[in-house]
Amino acid sequence: EIVMTQSPATLSVSPGERATLSCRASQNISSNLAWCQQILGQAPRLLIHGASTRATGIPARFSGSGSGTEFTLTISSLQSEDFAVYYCQQYNNWPYTFGQGTKLEMK
Amino acid sequence: EVQLVESGGNLVQPGGSLRLSCAASGLTFSNYWMSWVRQGPGKGLEWVATINQDGSKKYYVESVKGRFTISRDNARNSLFLHMNSLRAEDTAVYYCVNFLHWGQGTLVTVTS
Repeated sequence: EIVMTQSPATLSVSPGERATLSCRASQNISSNLAWCQQILGQAPRLLIHGASTRATGIPARFSGSGSGTEFTLTISSLQSEDFAVYYCQQYNNWPYTFGQGTKLEMK
Repeated sequence: EVQLVESGGNLVQPGGSLRLSCAASGLTFSNYWMSWVRQGPGKGLEWVATINQDGSKKYYVESVKGRFTISRDNARNSLFLHMNSLRAEDTAVYYCVNFLHWGQGTLVTVTS
């Protein structure tokens, strides 16, 4: 099973600033990585797939990069609605696995 | 607009059974792999099971193998999860997912 490790566990950032979230895979997953956002009390929603492709309707301030084992989600200028938990997920090998999540909180 | 609407969640005793359903609309259901993902109380996300477009391929996380069965009815745009021998650790919100879209989830609580 591929283990996905996210860092940091919690990230405190002020509105308008940039946030950078990291995700590491325990083995090569090519670009078969997605990022999901979960706002408290809501279902997750897909932000990024293929490591860098924004899902339909996702604002341009969200960007993904990386391949192989190291991946990054960047939110260029935080809005109030961006404070949430973010999960990375690999879909290269079954069982698909998620990271443990990064909580993005307002500073 | 794509909608995935889960139902069937309930309170059940350990060892019991449940069948979850997911009604899909706004997409050509038969074109998509479909999955169930769960989230235990206060926990992260766990991929439970996946089925391909015609139901000929099914994958399960190790912890549910032999107890859960994923199935689909393309004529009714529906996805199912049959859960047997339920355990306390199966308590979670279960989401219907087609990778691009998530449903709102249905709560399964296993307790005596």
